Amino acid sequence: DIKMTQSPSSMYASLGERVTITCKASQDIKSYLSWYQQKPWKSPKTLIYYATSLADGVPSRFSGSGSGQDYSLTISSLESDDTATYYCLQHGESPLTFGAGTKLELK
Amino acid sequence: QVQLQQSGAELMKPGASVKISCKATGYTFSSYWIEWVKQRPGHGLEWIGEILPGSGSTNYNEKFKGKATFTADTSSNTAYMQLSSLTSEDSAVYYCAKETAYYFDYWGQGTTLTVSS
Repeated sequence: DIKMTQSPSSMYASLGERVTITCKASQDIKSYLSWYQQKPWKSPKTLIYYATSLADGVPSRFSGSGSGQDYSLTISSLESDDTATYYCLQHGESPLTFGAGTKLELK
Repeated sequence: QVQLQQSGAELMKPGASVKISCKATGYTFSSYWIEWVKQRPGHGLEWIGEILPGSGSTNYNEKFKGKATFTADTSSNTAYMQLSSLTSEDSAVYYCAKETAYYFDYWGQGTTLTVSS
């Protein structure tokens, strides 16, 4: 199985700060990487697909980058509504595997 | 608009089976894979597997073979996941999601399963 190492596991950031979360795959996943935001007691919401494409309705302050094994999600200017847990998902090989999540809180 | 409506919370006894449903609206149900995901506190998200409703084709995470069984009814646009021989390890929130072009674009609201005697 492909292991997705996501970091950090948790972080605090200030309003307006630039935030970056990373995921490293144990092998090349050819950009089959998506990012999801989950708030407490809610289902995940899709943010980014195919590593860099913004899902419909997602604010432009979210962006994705990366290729091969290394990927990142960036929030250009943190807003209060962005406090949540973020997960990456690799779709390059079965079984699909998620990162362990990054809990993002306001400082 | 696309919606995935899951069945309600379940309280089951160890050893029993349960069937969770996921009713899809707003798109051609038969043409897109339905994914199933497990979430337990402290265990993150786990992919259980998927079904393509139009053909009935399935793919399972090896870890869940023998535990989960997927079916789909195209007449009612509903996908099902049956979990058998329940233990406390199966207590979790289960999500269905629609897959498109190598990502999950819509998610159900989740079904909470509690296994307790």
